[in-house]
This record gives sequence, structure tokens and C-alpha cells, in this order.
Amino acid sequence: NAGVTQTPKFQVLKTGQSMTLQCAQDMNHNSMYWYRQDPGMGLRLIYYSASEGTTDKGEVPNGYNVSRLNKREFSLRLESAAPSQTSVYFCASSEVAGIKPQHFGDGTRLSIL
Amino acid sequence: QKEVEQNSGPLSVPEGAIASLNCTYSDRGSQSFFWYRQYSGKSPELIMSIYSNGDKEDGRFTAQLNKASQYVSLLIRDSQPSDSATYLCAVNPPEGGYQKVTFGTGTKLQVIP
Repeated sequence: NAGVTQTPKFQVLKTGQSMTLQCAQDMNHNSMYWYRQDPGMGLRLIYYSASEGTTDKGEVPNGYNVSRLNKREFSLRLESAAPSQTSVYFCASSEVAGIKPQHFGDGTRLSIL
Repeated sequence: QKEVEQNSGPLSVPEGAIASLNCTYSDRGSQSFFWYRQYSGKSPELIMSIYSNGDKEDGRFTAQLNKASQYVSLLIRDSQPSDSATYLCAVNPPEGGYQKVTFGTGTKLQVIP
């Protein structure tokens, strides 16, 4: 049982480049989340999808877009990467948004030069 | 005021002692409360969920919730060096229809052999 799978695990980008972080879950969960984690800042919510077909902004959505491709997959796109987006990105899923606990992927470590 | 507050630590306890981790939250309407453990360089993993006032025990872990005082705590009995990690408290506020979860910045626990 893979749980939540994130790809890639590591990535280095140059300022202005774009990329998409992929996330897939095999637990038949309804809700999915994207977080970034920076030292001293904790986990901050970027976007979430409470159910298939819906997406909503979190605390720090600027510079990002998301797509809930289907129930399993939730991608995060950086259109024009900036050094301030250097971070560790976690995808998570939950059976019921906000009520059931979230299960996290292993993370993507992204550096933007 | 931060929505979810935790003392960043580090909290140092000797092996075999009880570690007490505390978390306060600002939104009185919050309904779901979670404790996660995060080892350095790894993703958060769920320790326990708690939804109603009182204590909930799972092995060496006990979560305590007091909604009137707006705090949730985690006790770790017989602390082991392998418990050394950062512990994240998470709460679902009414904002966004309880669909989001807000994380504290975590308390770093060090168990000294």
C-alpha cells in the first residue's frame, strides 16, 4: 500500500522556470492538500481540494496553481519559480476534509536558484 | 494571535520520564485535533486524533483535550530516545467550513539516554 506518492523527491530550478509537482493517493480519500514547510514557519497550507472537482486557496497561494485531476491525483504548479519558493513541499490526503487525519507523502525538496 | 501555538523547545527529558507537550488554539469552534510526529528530514506521521474533551490513550501516548481552556496536550510515558522528534499539533478551525487544518510550528523533543 503506497499511500501518498509525490514526485519528484528533489528538484533544482532556475528563477523563472516552471514545473509541476505531482501527488497521487491510493487510499480512496476525498480531500487532498498541498503544504510548504520552511524552517521556523511550520506547515503552511498552499491549496486544498476538499472533494473531487473543488479547489480552494490556503494560507500562501500566491505563485502557485493546482489541479485536481481526478480523485487520486492533485498537482501543484509553479508557473515562474522564485527563490522565495525554495522549500519542502508536502502533499497530504484525508478521508474527510478537516475531520479525519491527514496522511502525508514523503515530500519534494525544491531549490530555486 | 497565532491560531495554533506551541513552545518550540527543545524540550529535554531523560529516558524513561514523561514528556508533556502542550498546544493552545485560538478558535473556540474547532472540532478536530491531531498530534503528528516528524523526524528530521521526514514527513509528518499521525500519532493521535482527539475530538472530545478528556483523555485518549494509545500505548505510551495520551492526548488530553480541554475545549473550555482551548488547549490540547500530548503525554509520552516512558520516553525513549526514538521519541526524539518534532511534535506538531493541528486543529481544524471553523474557517473554510472546518475543511482545513492549521498546524502549529511544533515542539522539538529530545530524550536523553
